[in-house]
Amino acid sequence: QLQLQESGPGLVKPSETLSLTCTVSGGSISTGFYYWGWIRQPPGKGLEWIGSIYYSGKTYYNASLKSRVTISADTSKNQFSLKLSSVTAADTAVFYCARHPGGGDRRNWYFDLWGRGTLVTVSS
Amino acid sequence: QSVLTQSPSVSGAPGQRVTISCTGSSSNIGAGYDVHWYQRLPGKAPKLLIFRNSNRPSGVPDRFSGSQSGTSASLAISGLQTEDEADYYCQTYDSGLSGWVFGGGTKLTVL
Repeated sequence: QLQLQESGPGLVKPSETLSLTCTVSGGSISTGFYYWGWIRQPPGKGLEWIGSIYYSGKTYYNASLKSRVTISADTSKNQFSLKLSSVTAADTAVFYCARHPGGGDRRNWYFDLWGRGTLVTVSS
Repeated sequence: QSVLTQSPSVSGAPGQRVTISCTGSSSNIGAGYDVHWYQRLPGKAPKLLIFRNSNRPSGVPDRFSGSQSGTSASLAISGLQTEDEADYYCQTYDSGLSGWVFGGGTKLTVL
């Protein structure tokens, strides 16, 4: 059974770069068809899609975060990663990694499998 | 503010039927993009509940159903059970934002 697990520092200082990794077990990120994404939820707010990546490196990013976000994939480790630069307190959130089934019109994609999430706090 | 609007909370007694609404606009639900629903139980990973407006993944009981009309979508839960107590989120695509968007979430309390 495929599982996703987020990992990374739980505390990041303002202006620094937040780095998280999603490790996929029970299946390979490079089998194709699926995209792999990051979603976050600030305290008391709704979910926000951050970006998604295909194992080959093709990415889609949330336009509002694009200037600060980099998502990459490491097929040798079966992981994909998120880097969010120049963080502020507003970036404090629970971060989830998730899987998109691809194919068809990507505008109709959904997330069929999620990790449990990891809380990242931005504070000095 | 979330692009998709959901009531913050809804409640119902065991056995009852509740509906959770998700209101969007002409650039998302009204544009005809599929709506999907997720359930997040306390302390658990979000779970896909309904995909492409009205389809249930394998293992999701038929007590859960989705529909879409105009600029809104709805998730109906019939025969409420205590284990349905969770947060529910809708999701679709927004052409103005060129990305996938979510609702703010609805907390379901089973009385």
